[in-house]
Amino acid sequence: SQKIEQNSEALNIQEGKTATLTCNYTNYSPAYLQWYRQDPGRGPVFLLLIRENEKEKRKERLKVTFDTTLKQSLFHITASQPADSATYLCAPAHNNNDMRFGAGTRLTVKP
Amino acid sequence: DGGITQSPKYLFRKEGQNVTLSCEQNLNHDAMYWYRQDPGQGLRLIYYSQIVNDFQKGDIAEGYSVSREKKESFPLTVTSAQKNPTAFYLCATNFDRGAGGYTFGSGTRLTVV
Repeated sequence: SQKIEQNSEALNIQEGKTATLTCNYTNYSPAYLQWYRQDPGRGPVFLLLIRENEKEKRKERLKVTFDTTLKQSLFHITASQPADSATYLCAPAHNNNDMRFGAGTRLTVKP
Repeated sequence: DGGITQSPKYLFRKEGQNVTLSCEQNLNHDAMYWYRQDPGQGLRLIYYSQIVNDFQKGDIAEGYSVSREKKESFPLTVTSAQKNPTAFYLCATNFDRGAGGYTFGSGTRLTVV
């Protein structure tokens, strides 16, 4: 069966450092992969989408990579700030009807 | 959030009662989705609808029902047949059937006692 693993339930880093979150998937060949941010008690907020033919995508301090051979996506936040503290979800998909979400990684950025 | 209104924010019901969660959007998006979120688990798809008067079961549709009589509205009913209904329920919309980010509502936390 399809499986999505975000292999750190929680990640603590110091302000100013780069946070790197990992998303691995098995038994799945997604056409694209999305990343979302979720704050406690709120709905997820869409951040970035990367397609299978793209190796890397950037948006401000965010960078996402997508390795279809390794079946892995990495999500980086550079120059991290306490305001970046949240849970980050990855979601690989073929189309928007079969998008599945990982359980998320809870990031805490300490001042 | 982002043109999607979920109400109420918190909902308490007694076991055995049906309850309907509201989701309204003013984004003019065709597709709407219901997800359930439990602690330590990813979002799980309950039902989705690509167009008015049509909807499809997701991975965990048992014990739930939906309707899509209007483009703006996609209510979810949690029936007494749902064994573990206590959860955080999220409604989402999307304008791009191919690939695009979802817009989520702020969620309804349902507690069944």
